[in-house]
Amino acid sequence: GNSVTQMEGPVTLSEEAFLTINCTYTATGYPSLFWYVQYPGEGLQLLLKATKADDKGSNKGFEATYRKETTSFHLEKGSVQVSDSAVYFCALSAPQSTGGFKTIFGAGTRLFVKA
Amino acid sequence: NAGVTQTPKFQVLKTGQSMTLQCAQDMNHEYMSWYRQDPGMGLRLIHYSVGAGITDQGEVPNGYNVSRSTTEDFPLRLLSAAPSQTSVYFCASSLSGALRVNTEAFFGQGTRLTVV
Repeated sequence: GNSVTQMEGPVTLSEEAFLTINCTYTATGYPSLFWYVQYPGEGLQLLLKATKADDKGSNKGFEATYRKETTSFHLEKGSVQVSDSAVYFCALSAPQSTGGFKTIFGAGTRLFVKA
Repeated sequence: NAGVTQTPKFQVLKTGQSMTLQCAQDMNHEYMSWYRQDPGMGLRLIHYSVGAGITDQGEVPNGYNVSRSTTEDFPLRLLSAAPSQTSVYFCASSLSGALRVNTEAFFGQGTRLTVV
C-alpha cells in the first residue's frame, strides 16, 4: 500500500539556519507529492506540491524536488525565520481503482525556530 | 469565501454518548474526507467520499459512520464514544475525478474532542 515516512521531530534551529526535513514514500503508480504546514491552533495549509518526477515545488522560500529514483521529496529552506515554527506534513495523493484519489499523510515534523 | 467549515470547535463527551461532527464546504468539491490527528501519529484517514452518495473507509473507520447526501456536507458520526476517540478531527475537501488527481486539499479548522 501507499505510505509516507518523514523524519521525526522536533527540529530546533536558530534563525537564518538551513532547514531540511526528509520525506520518503512508497506508492504504486505515479503519485503527486505535497508539503502541508500547520500553524498552532489551525488546520493544515498547502505549502507546495509536485506532480511528476523531477518537478520542483516552491513557495515562501521553501523547496522540494520530486525524486522518483530515491522515492523522496525532502523539504528545504535556506534561511528559516521564527515565523516558520510549525508542524510540517509530507503527503502523497494517488488514484484509486474506484475513481477519485486518496491522500496519505506522514506523521508530521515539528519545527521550532529560535530568535 | 468560507471554504471548509467544521462545527463544533470543541466538544466533551461521556463514554457511550453519540454525536455528529459537522463539515460543510462551499467550493463544489467532489472529494471530502475526515482525518484524526493524534500526537506522534500524524493524520490518519477515517472515511472519505468521492461524491454525493458514495463513501468508503480509510485507515481507522471503526466506531465512526459517515454519509454524503449532498455535495456540500459530510458529517461524521460517533456511534458510542470511547476515550480512544479523544483526538483532533479534521475535515478536508478537494477537487476530484479520475483525470484530476493532482489537487490540493483544503482543511477545516478542526474539532477538538475529549471523551471522558
